Amino acid sequence: QSALTQPASVSGSPGQSITISCTGTSSDVGGYNYVSWYQQHPGKAPELMIYDVFKRPSGVSNRFSGSKSGNTASLTISGLQAEDEADYYCNSYTSSSTWVFGGGTKVTVL
Amino acid sequence: QVQLVQSGAEVKKPGSSVKVSCKASGVTSSTYAITWVRQAPGQGLEWMGGIIPIFGTPNYAQKFQGRVTITADESTSTAYMELSSLRSDDTAVYYCARVGHNSYYMDVWGKGTTVTVSS
Repeated sequence: QSALTQPASVSGSPGQSITISCTGTSSDVGGYNYVSWYQQHPGKAPELMIYDVFKRPSGVSNRFSGSKSGNTASLTISGLQAEDEADYYCNSYTSSSTWVFGGGTKVTVL
Repeated sequence: QVQLVQSGAEVKKPGSSVKVSCKASGVTSSTYAITWVRQAPGQGLEWMGGIIPIFGTPNYAQKFQGRVTITADESTSTAYMELSSLRSDDTAVYYCARVGHNSYYMDVWGKGTTVTVSS
């Protein structure tokens, strides 16, 4: 199972919106609405930000939103804030009953 | 509130094995899965495998088949991940994470266990 493809880095100024893409195949992202996104600050464990493509866990800011089209899922952060600077990973359930992560995207707030 | 408490850091020699534990507390439903994810220094997250404790049947990523063993003790709500034939590139932080009943995402994570493989 190959890792999902994410851009290595994305940057934006405070208040702007940014979008992180996550490309897989019909055996993972395209085949299931089971894409999730995780935020990870340095030295910390990952934290769930989006699940089932677009759903937000309780306590996660509504500035975070998710979507999917075909084999590509996306995470959008609107109203970018300094605290959003972190690494972001997408994840998908697969046809092999396993999970696969993306390579990760470093978000920089300029 | 569900919490996952992992065992402490380990230093191992190449060729040896390591066993990391993950104890769940505050769990109200028994039909959940525990998955294991590792992160090498400066690298991304990598899913290794998982288990549903009440069923006991593990599922592994192909990369780790034959080298990883994931087990669970339902009576103590503890899951274990054992990795054998350790190499220097197994040096990583190993996380356990919960996948809830009828869900496909990791909603609760342990703090991670650092495993260092060095001669």
